[in-house]
Amino acid sequence: QKEVEQDPGPLSVPEGAIVSLNCTYSNSAFQYFMWYRQYSRKGPELLMYTYSSGNKEDGRFTAQVDKSSKYISLFIRDSQPSDSATYLCAMNSASNSGYALNFGKGTSLLVTP
Amino acid sequence: EAQVTQNPRYLITVTGKKLTVTCSQNMNHEYMSWYRQDPGLGLRQIYYSMNVEVTDKGDVPEGYKVSRKEKRNFPLILESPSPNQTSLYFCASTGQGSYEQYFGPGTRLTVT
Repeated sequence: QKEVEQDPGPLSVPEGAIVSLNCTYSNSAFQYFMWYRQYSRKGPELLMYTYSSGNKEDGRFTAQVDKSSKYISLFIRDSQPSDSATYLCAMNSASNSGYALNFGKGTSLLVTP
Repeated sequence: EAQVTQNPRYLITVTGKKLTVTCSQNMNHEYMSWYRQDPGLGLRQIYYSMNVEVTDKGDVPEGYKVSRKEKRNFPLILESPSPNQTSLYFCASTGQGSYEQYFGPGTRLTVT
């Protein structure tokens, strides 16, 4: 079983919709959880970072971690066409910080006007 | 501007012809890494380097070599490329104690 599972989509939503993106993981040692956004023909960029369990909000984006269920989510409110991208979850344990991230395969999101 | 640069951005080559993809970062980061990204497989780490002269294999190192002679540079070498190495390649760097990886713009390699 791969350590990080992510539904590849594609996910298509109308502009203004609330988007929910999710990942599950199997390694209970993971404590650092990140979401990267990758536009077409670009490298991934860090979007959100969360340590351990709980929620973190940044504008229209909310990252949620449920360590008891080994489940993380990214919510996008009032989605915009500019949010169309691939979203990758990433995580690792405390022992190696950002050095060796475990990535999900990414979910492709399309927000239509 | 803080950035990771890769060259070339696009490369078409033939089987067996040695090639090097360069990677350079201007953030004085200790940690650098190479990934390949393939449809349905996601990002897979090829090699990483914790610092100058310190490199180690990632998940898919076969067919690749790296070197880290200077802190800012981390070239990826394909001694004898094969068609199954056709992929999108990303270089990334991270500062010591940081959780964030900074990615380069990618190199699309086609091996015929």
